[in-house]
Amino acid sequence: GQQLNQSPQSMFIQEGEDVSMNCTSSSIFNTWLWYKQDPGEGPVLLIALYKAGELTSNGRLTAQFGITRKDSFLNISASIPSDVGIYFCAGRGTQGGSEKLVFGKGTKLTVNP
Amino acid sequence: NAGVMQNPRHLVRRRGQEARLRCSPMKGHSHVYWYRQLPEEGLKFMVYLQKENIIDESGMPKERFSAEFPKEGPSILRIQQVVRGDSAAYFCASSPLGSSYNEQFFGPGTRLTVL
Repeated sequence: GQQLNQSPQSMFIQEGEDVSMNCTSSSIFNTWLWYKQDPGEGPVLLIALYKAGELTSNGRLTAQFGITRKDSFLNISASIPSDVGIYFCAGRGTQGGSEKLVFGKGTKLTVNP
Repeated sequence: NAGVMQNPRHLVRRRGQEARLRCSPMKGHSHVYWYRQLPEEGLKFMVYLQKENIIDESGMPKERFSAEFPKEGPSILRIQQVVRGDSAAYFCASSPLGSSYNEQFFGPGTRLTVL
């Protein structure tokens, strides 16, 4: 089945630093999504990308849909303590017309004040 | 506009018992998805339902697991004869239509613990 490789697994940064994380796949995806999950909660959608090459921003967050449709990255600029959490990439593929999402294993972000 | 609601938030069952997890989609959403998350893992797709129809159940275990989304009422994920390996967080998501350009919004999850 389709799989996403998300890296890094974890990051420890100082407040104010920029952060970058990415996802790669051996399969093509039609949509890339980035979610953030806080402990004990469900994932919250941050950014959705629908076209190869698309670059989209949401406040301090920027994400890009790779031109090959097999990768995506998420950047967070000027990190703040509330950015702490687990960030997941998710792809919606082309198999069988299903709307299911395939998730990466997450990047756990720790921000030191 | 209330978000996706799931209950219970926490559920403890002994081996062999049944677990029933409920999901009420966002108002106006007619598509429901169930995902399972093990500790330190990403979410894994289980099943996709529309009202009274199962559209894709490719992620559902073949035995003991079933899901429904009746015309009235919440979607139910049912696990019969639970085993310790069923312990996980179960998330429901909903979207207004099939989710091309209509993204999936997640509920807070039900954390199932099997003793």
